[in-house]
Amino acid sequence: AQRVTQPEKLLSVFKGAPVELKCNYSYSGSPELFWYVQYSRQRLQLLLRHISRESIKGFTADLNKGETSFHLKKPFAQEEDSAMYYCALGGATNKLIFGTGTLLAVQP
Amino acid sequence: NAGVTQTPKFQVLKTGQSMTLQCAQDMNHNSMYWYRQDPGMGLRLIYYSASEGTTDKGEVPNGYNVSRLNKREFSLRLESAAPSQTSVYFCASGSTSIFHNEQFFGPGTRLTVL
Repeated sequence: AQRVTQPEKLLSVFKGAPVELKCNYSYSGSPELFWYVQYSRQRLQLLLRHISRESIKGFTADLNKGETSFHLKKPFAQEEDSAMYYCALGGATNKLIFGTGTLLAVQP
Repeated sequence: NAGVTQTPKFQVLKTGQSMTLQCAQDMNHNSMYWYRQDPGMGLRLIYYSASEGTTDKGEVPNGYNVSRLNKREFSLRLESAAPSQTSVYFCASGSTSIFHNEQFFGPGTRLTVL
């Protein structure tokens, strides 16, 4: 069965500290992984897609098929990074399975 | 381009009332989706439409109906609202290419059922 697990509901860090938001997935085929971000009371926006292997707003994420993980990382957190982050898994069905989300709080 | 738009932004209903949430997209996407967002539950798929004229149930379809009016519009109807349907509802649209599952979201509708 397809599943996305984000083990942390809340991650609180200080400004300038490194950030790692964890995401593990379960999928038997070839997965597409995404990170979406939702700033306070706004719509979800795509942050990263694994297929692009890009860095957006200083965030990167590497797909590790051996560990079935797609963790989101940033070396130095900024206060404006405070938001809800969702990991999402797509497959052949054009549907996305979302994790339960991690609220990142960056303290000044 | 407006992207994905939703109306209304806020709504308060009494138990048993009905309402329709409207969604439209101008990106010429084939697929459209309705999600609900609840604290600690993430986003859960209610219904989706892979193309005009087709709709399918998602993870939590009970108590809802949908209509894919045309390629642009996908509405969600609550026939008899219940307090358990208090939530934030998001509409999304996306490409149907097998390698591009990216979805674009609307601003959401915050619904309270008393």
